[in-house]
Amino acid sequence: NAGVTQTPKFRILKIGQSMTLQCTQDMNHNYMYWYRQDPGMGLKLIYYSVGAGITDKGEVPNGYNVSRSTTEDFPLRLELAAPSQTSVYFCASSYSEGLGSPLHFGNGTRLTVT
Amino acid sequence: AQTVTQSQPEMSVQEAETVTLSCTYDTSESDYYLFWYKQPPSRQMILVIRQEAYKQQNATENRFSVNFQKAAKSFSLKISDSQLGDAAMYFCAKNYGGSQGNLIFGKGTKLSVKP
Repeated sequence: NAGVTQTPKFRILKIGQSMTLQCTQDMNHNYMYWYRQDPGMGLKLIYYSVGAGITDKGEVPNGYNVSRSTTEDFPLRLELAAPSQTSVYFCASSYSEGLGSPLHFGNGTRLTVT
Repeated sequence: AQTVTQSQPEMSVQEAETVTLSCTYDTSESDYYLFWYKQPPSRQMILVIRQEAYKQQNATENRFSVNFQKAAKSFSLKISDSQLGDAAMYFCAKNYGGSQGNLIFGKGTKLSVKP
């Protein structure tokens, strides 16, 4: 089983460039999440989705956009990259929002903005 | 604002010994979930143990157990019979807004295991 797949694994961007971080899951999960992890810190929620066509902001949404056109995919878009967006980005999914449905994390994308 | 605090940036334990990692949190919610996640150097986030706030019984998963003190807003993790593979960053997290995926994380505790 592939689980949650994130691409790319690493990326270096110049200030002002844009890019899309891809996330796909093959578990038919309704709930998907994007987190960022800054050096020496815990994860912070950027955006989440409770199903296709429905997205909502998390704790740190500024500078990012998301879409959820299918159950499987939840891409994260950076429009004008800034050094403050240098981080490791994690995508996660779960079948439901209940405790009996744990989060499945991808392996992360390390993004550097210079 | 809700916060999760891990006051121990680093901890060390001898192999086969027991270690306790501390976590406190602040919330006005009465029902919520608490989690401990492990992050080895591979970077993958691995769920270690979880606790529902309305359950008074402390959660246990094999060598991992928690001491949940709701009134004190404390949620510590005890690792018994520590193994070399337990070396990792450990993050305490709490959900908010009713969804177990909307999480607030602490800054983590780096656990080293000495052979």
